[in-house]
Amino acid sequence: EIVLTQSPVTLSLSPGERATLSCRATQSVDTYLAWYQQKPGQAPRLLIYDASNRATGIPARFSGSGSGTDFTLTISSLEPEDFAVYYCQQRINWPIFTFGPGTKVDIK
Amino acid sequence: QVQLVQSGAEVKKPGASVKVSCKASGYSFNTYGISWVRQAPGQGLEWMGWISVYNGDTNYAQKFQGRLTMTTETSTTTAYMELRSLRADDTAIYYCAICEGVDHWGQGSLVTVSS
Repeated sequence: EIVLTQSPVTLSLSPGERATLSCRATQSVDTYLAWYQQKPGQAPRLLIYDASNRATGIPARFSGSGSGTDFTLTISSLEPEDFAVYYCQQRINWPIFTFGPGTKVDIK
Repeated sequence: QVQLVQSGAEVKKPGASVKVSCKASGYSFNTYGISWVRQAPGQGLEWMGWISVYNGDTNYAQKFQGRLTMTTETSTTTAYMELRSLRADDTAIYYCAICEGVDHWGQGSLVTVSS
């Protein structure tokens, strides 16, 4: 079973700052990795699929990189609406998905 | 546009069963499979399983084997998730989702298990 870990658990930043979130897999997932954003009371929203492709309607300030076991989600300049929880998800064993535990980006 | 509309909140006693529905619209129902994901209060996302609407094939997470059943009803374009032998730690929001090239989620259904 592939296990995903995310770091840090919490990231405290100010609007305008750059956010760098990490996701690591216990074995290679190639580039079959997605990133989701979730705000309180809402369903998750897909940001990035296949490690580096932005989903429809996602602003260019969100970018993803990585392959194999190490992945990064970068938010180049935080907007007020970006403060949320971010989850990575592996899809190499589709339709079996697993999620990472999440990183909370909160306002410093 | 694709929409997944789920059934309302439920309160169940330990040992009971719950069946959550997910009404799909805005696309040809057998084009995509339906995944189910749950989220306990204050916790992360947990994938529960997937069903092919096309042929009914299912794939369940190991921890739910034996007490989880996913079905679909093409006449009403509705997917169902039934979880049996409920425990307090099954209290969660249950989401249906399409995660197959396109990505769409239902609004979630809160299931509370309490005596």
